[in-house]
Amino acid sequence: DTEVTQTPKHLVMGMTNKKSLKCEQHMGHRAMYWYKQKAKKPPELMFVYSYEKLSINESVPSRFSPECPNSSLLNLHLHALQPEDSALYLCASSLGQWETQYFGPGTRLLVL
Amino acid sequence: GQNIDQPTEMTATEGAIVQINCTYQTSGFNGLFWYQQHAGEAPTFLSYNVLDGLEEKGRFSSFLSRSKGYSYLLLKELQMKDSASYLCAVRSSSGGYNKLIFGAGTRLAVHP
Repeated sequence: DTEVTQTPKHLVMGMTNKKSLKCEQHMGHRAMYWYKQKAKKPPELMFVYSYEKLSINESVPSRFSPECPNSSLLNLHLHALQPEDSALYLCASSLGQWETQYFGPGTRLLVL
Repeated sequence: GQNIDQPTEMTATEGAIVQINCTYQTSGFNGLFWYQQHAGEAPTFLSYNVLDGLEEKGRFSSFLSRSKGYSYLLLKELQMKDSASYLCAVRSSSGGYNKLIFGAGTRLAVHP
């Protein structure tokens, strides 16, 4: 298995909803990442997990809550989002923090 | 501060060669990556340079000069499917951790 998978592919939610994005990889990678990408902009780093521990939080609002249940899974819990949070959310993984990052297909999120 | 510059848009003809430049000013430089991203899809890893010189991978080559803060991606024998955004990303080691900082991307349009 040489890919990063993400579910769902698309998500529409209201500002009062609670939802979760999921990311999975079975490449034995020990670093996993969440990025946010707005249209025609580059990906922006949100969180980094290394060996299942949160190592970087790029000053992301608390309405985004990451979770790493095990070395293969990474979740992003969403609560009370704003319309400006609508974006493509990308998960990536790498063997270690010094290695090449491989991206999943992303979840396209629309907040109404 | 961290700054990565690349041209916004480029056009080229099928079968031709195109060079996409990237200049950077970052602290803690620790490698430069090129990714390809088709509209609405995830970035796909193309190449990585950490030492000065040229890395060749089939139709794609990437060059790095650390003293000049400069890299380029060379695409040969262009195909229509090469129409995409090309993201230059610098790995920066600062504050005790690594992170990828992406340029805004170069949108390449390949014409018949």
